[in-house]
Amino acid sequence: AQSVTQPDIHITVSEGASLELRCNYSYGATPYLFWYVQSPGQGLQLLLKYFSGDTLVQGIKGFEAEFKRSQSSFNLRKPSVHWSDAAEYFCAVGAPNAGKSTFGDGTTLTVKP
Amino acid sequence: GAVVSQHPSWVICKSGTSVKIECRSLDFQATTMFWYRQFPKQSLMLMATSNEGSKATYEQGVEKDKFLINHASLTLSTLTVTSAHPEDSSFYICSARGGGASSYNEQFFGPGTRLTVL
Repeated sequence: AQSVTQPDIHITVSEGASLELRCNYSYGATPYLFWYVQSPGQGLQLLLKYFSGDTLVQGIKGFEAEFKRSQSSFNLRKPSVHWSDAAEYFCAVGAPNAGKSTFGDGTTLTVKP
Repeated sequence: GAVVSQHPSWVICKSGTSVKIECRSLDFQATTMFWYRQFPKQSLMLMATSNEGSKATYEQGVEKDKFLINHASLTLSTLTVTSAHPEDSSFYICSARGGGASSYNEQFFGPGTRLTVL
């Protein structure tokens, strides 16, 4: 069975500082990996995804993530955080061709002025 | 990009009544739709997977008779919460997956429906 762990429940960074959100997954083969962002009371927006190929993937809003097979990780990064980035971030793993995904518990990002 | 809508965006109902939530894919045909439930400050829990024209597949622990799912067309799926009770109050989110190899594993999420049962 696939699973996702987001070790950090809550992260606070200053505006302009760099950001890294951690995600570790458990899956028997190479999974499909996703990062989503959710603002309060809203649905989920896909930031980026990894299916195969280059392990460093670029997403929207200046985010990137790196797939590291040896560490079973897919950490999300952003070089300079903006106040509007404050939200809930979910990492998800999906079995190829299965369609459905399993979500981590989420990390709440707070941005200090 | 692919757009998924949900209606209503919020609903308040009395205990014992039934509530229907619609999920529509606006610009693509959704071969599969997923229904999630999210409690405050928690992650999304998959409730069921529905394929157009067939019965939904429910996750373990989800009551099929409580949460009725219908996927009658390639652009519409409905979730009906029957005989709703306060513990059913939650944020319900649907997602849709289209056809084609490039999008097979990508889900497009609706904006969610906030259900409050009094």
